[in-house]
Amino acid sequence: QVQLQESGPGLVKPSGTLSLTCAVSGDSISSSNWWTWVRQPPGKGLEWIGEIYHSGSTNYNPSLKSRVTISVDKSKNQLSLKVSSVTAADTAVYYCARVPFFFYAFDSWGQGTLVTVSS
Amino acid sequence: QSALTQPPSASGSPGQSVTISCTGTSSDVGGYNYVSWYQQHPGKAPKLMIYEVSKRPSGVPDRFSGSKSGNTASLTVSGLQAEDEADYYCSSYAGSNNPYVFGTGTKVTVL
Repeated sequence: QVQLQESGPGLVKPSGTLSLTCAVSGDSISSSNWWTWVRQPPGKGLEWIGEIYHSGSTNYNPSLKSRVTISVDKSKNQLSLKVSSVTAADTAVYYCARVPFFFYAFDSWGQGTLVTVSS
Repeated sequence: QSALTQPPSASGSPGQSVTISCTGTSSDVGGYNYVSWYQQHPGKAPKLMIYEVSKRPSGVPDRFSGSKSGNTASLTVSGLQAEDEADYYCSSYAGSNNPYVFGTGTKVTVL
């Protein structure tokens, strides 16, 4: 049973960089899955941020592409998210999730971590 | 890429059925049979309920069913139970340039 666990600072200053890590257990980051990030502002809906394959291939939401970087660390079996130049609009619960290859649905999710952008 | 359109709310009494719509375009819902549905209880992560329009993952009750016609997908919950009260989101694959779009979400209330 795969488990995903997000971690990182819960408070980031405006104009700073948000950095999160998602530790994967019960599955290899090098298996046939896309590893994704999704966020949810308080009281609002879900927004897909981007995804990465273990080869390093990435896809990003065009609305966030200029500020987002997703990477994998195979030695630690984890993926990371960086969002630069953050504003209050980036305040959200951030989830990592797994999308099996050719499955096109998010079948496993982390519990999420709240990141607040505030001075 | 705009969010898929869902009604803000839906409700039904225990034992009744409720159907939630999810309207997109020919670039997402209408273009691919990769619509999925997620259930989210307050403070919890979303849970996959339906994938590929109408398939249920192992462990999801058969009270949950999905369908699609043109650019609109639907989720039906039959035999409503108290634990079905939650927010529901649809999602669709939308091509390689911007792979995924979510719906606006629907709050289901069991009366």
